[in-house]
Amino acid sequence: EADIYQTPRYLVIGTGKKITLECSQTMGHDKMYWYQQDPGMELHLIHYSYGVNSTEKGDLSSESTVSRIRTEHFPLTLESARPSHTSQYLCASSDTGQVLKGYTFGSGTRLTVV
Amino acid sequence: GQQLNQSPQSMFIQEGEDVSMNCTSSSIFNTWLWYKQDPGEGPVLLIALYKAGELTSNGRLTAQFGITRKDSFLNISASIPSDVGIYFCAGRNSGGYNKLIFGAGTRLAVHP
Repeated sequence: EADIYQTPRYLVIGTGKKITLECSQTMGHDKMYWYQQDPGMELHLIHYSYGVNSTEKGDLSSESTVSRIRTEHFPLTLESARPSHTSQYLCASSDTGQVLKGYTFGSGTRLTVV
Repeated sequence: GQQLNQSPQSMFIQEGEDVSMNCTSSSIFNTWLWYKQDPGEGPVLLIALYKAGELTSNGRLTAQFGITRKDSFLNISASIPSDVGIYFCAGRNSGGYNKLIFGAGTRLAVHP
């Protein structure tokens, strides 16, 4: 059973609103990641963190921002949502001490901007 | 950057058929992993491979780490409707800070 939680599962919001997608993990993993995925399509890394106060941009440019103030929490924020931000956002985590176990993914947040 | 070429992009098969998909890379990887994503969910790890030539099974699933360390395949035997989903390969090399490189996915549809 996954110990990484994303809220909300679904969000429909108007253009221009500020939103924060929450991601928390209870496994004590040091590394966390955000992926953007259009339905049925590839996973695109947009942000990652190697530990507290460490954040990096991923391979796909994104207007979102992230923060990592606590090990277990890695929220993603969009200051002004646009229809082009409509997508599924997946959070994942991994542990440097358990490299061979790969990533654990959350169930995702399906965002629709109208 | 590094890329994984995953094929086929999609498959539509009859229940009971065997399925095979693979990933190739121009770079050497130390670890290969296979994930499955059910519709509306996040990917879940199916099989992890740690050694060149390794063959690992998980129920009806079998995966192999290619001897050149540049490829991996996943086989599903006797497919059932719940095998529907997207299958992603992922690889990691020694310099990747634990960062995985994902393939583009194989979309599997199973007709009863």
